[in-house]
Amino acid sequence: DAGVTQSPTHLIKTRGQHVTLRCSPISGHKSVSWYQQVLGQGPQFIFQYYEKEERGRGNFPDRFSARQFPNYSSELNVNALLLGDSALYLCASSLGTGVETQYFGPGTRLLVL
Amino acid sequence: KQEVTQIPAALSVPEGENLVLNCSFTDSAIYNLQWFRQDPGKGLTSLLLIQSSQREQTSGRLNASLDKSSGRSTLYIAASQPGDSATYLCAVNSGGSNYKLTFGKGTLLTVNP
Repeated sequence: DAGVTQSPTHLIKTRGQHVTLRCSPISGHKSVSWYQQVLGQGPQFIFQYYEKEERGRGNFPDRFSARQFPNYSSELNVNALLLGDSALYLCASSLGTGVETQYFGPGTRLLVL
Repeated sequence: KQEVTQIPAALSVPEGENLVLNCSFTDSAIYNLQWFRQDPGKGLTSLLLIQSSQREQTSGRLNASLDKSSGRSTLYIAASQPGDSATYLCAVNSGGSNYKLTFGKGTLLTVNP
């Protein structure tokens, strides 16, 4: 079975632009979470979705939004990009019961110039 | 607010040595704790998941322990190999309405041939 997939792998944007990142969870997984990892730090929680509903939001501004589709794939949108948004964006999927392993995708590397 | 600390930040050992990585967390009310491996510029690979009711988990040369009451976990790597070189991240799932993971900053391990 395929693991968690993310697209694109790399992205370069300029300040003020908008970006959409995509994630496909492992087949059968209903929960998708998004994390931001800046260089030298551990990943920081952004959002969690389960059965197409937002279950949690981390300490990120309203410029960050996400959604989950009926097939459980997910999009992360970031508006009005800032230089500080440059990071590795990771998607994690899990069955959704809360006590199981979370599996991460390869990430999308975003560079904001 | 849950905080996770990993010590040491970096570790360099000769091949064949046994080693221990440490993780501590401030709030002992956790669902589980997960250890991950991250190669440079890549996503996270799940190594071991310990539920709050468990004391340890083993996978091959890896053994993770959990002492919830003291807020500590260790990852023991036996007979280290150059291929073990990576950043090791500890993440705590504190439960609640979402299943967010709170990560430490990681330990950068280098195993020298």
